[in-house]
Amino acid sequence: QKEVEQDPGPLSVPEGAIVSLNCTYSNSAFQYFMWYRQYSRKGPELLMYTYSSGNKEDGRFTAQVDKSSKYISLFIRDSQPSDSATYLCAMIRFNNNDMRFGAGTRLTVKP
Amino acid sequence: DSGVTQTPKHLITATGQRVTLRCSPRSGDLSVYWYQQSLDQGLQFLIHYYNGEERAKGNILERFSAQQFPDLHSELNLSSLELGDSALYFCASSVVEGSAGELFFGEGSRLTVL
Repeated sequence: QKEVEQDPGPLSVPEGAIVSLNCTYSNSAFQYFMWYRQYSRKGPELLMYTYSSGNKEDGRFTAQVDKSSKYISLFIRDSQPSDSATYLCAMIRFNNNDMRFGAGTRLTVKP
Repeated sequence: DSGVTQTPKHLITATGQRVTLRCSPRSGDLSVYWYQQSLDQGLQFLIHYYNGEERAKGNILERFSAQQFPDLHSELNLSSLELGDSALYFCASSVVEGSAGELFFGEGSRLTVL
């Protein structure tokens, strides 16, 4: 079993839809949780960063962490074609340099 | 533009050969990370350097080695290449030692081994 599980999709939604992306993890030592966005032929870029359980909102994006269930989510409201990319969850233990990534979910938002 | 520069962008070589991938981190960043991204494995952590010193190793093969130079640029050396080494290799940098800080990724070096 992988430490971080993420459905690779692909996921296709119409413009304006609410998108839900999820990851589960097995190591309860993970403390920091991130979502990276990767456009085709580009490197990943940080989208959201959370530490504690609960929700964090940034514009159309909401990151949710449930440490008790070892489950993290990223919600995208009013999705746009420009949101079409691969979304990778990432997590790291406290005082550790080994960031673990999910496999990434490929999202397409159709106009 | 993340500020992280990787060269070459594309590289095609044969099995058994050796290649060197180069990374220049963002100005002021002391940490450099190397990742391998393949279709079936996702992003795999290879190795981390901070200010010239190795800090952590991940799933890096013995055929692979890396170093960070005094000017903070880093090189990843891949030797005795196999078909399975074909992948995107990303370098990322961070201002802090621990990667709990944001990682800034380069655009990657795409390696094809024939």
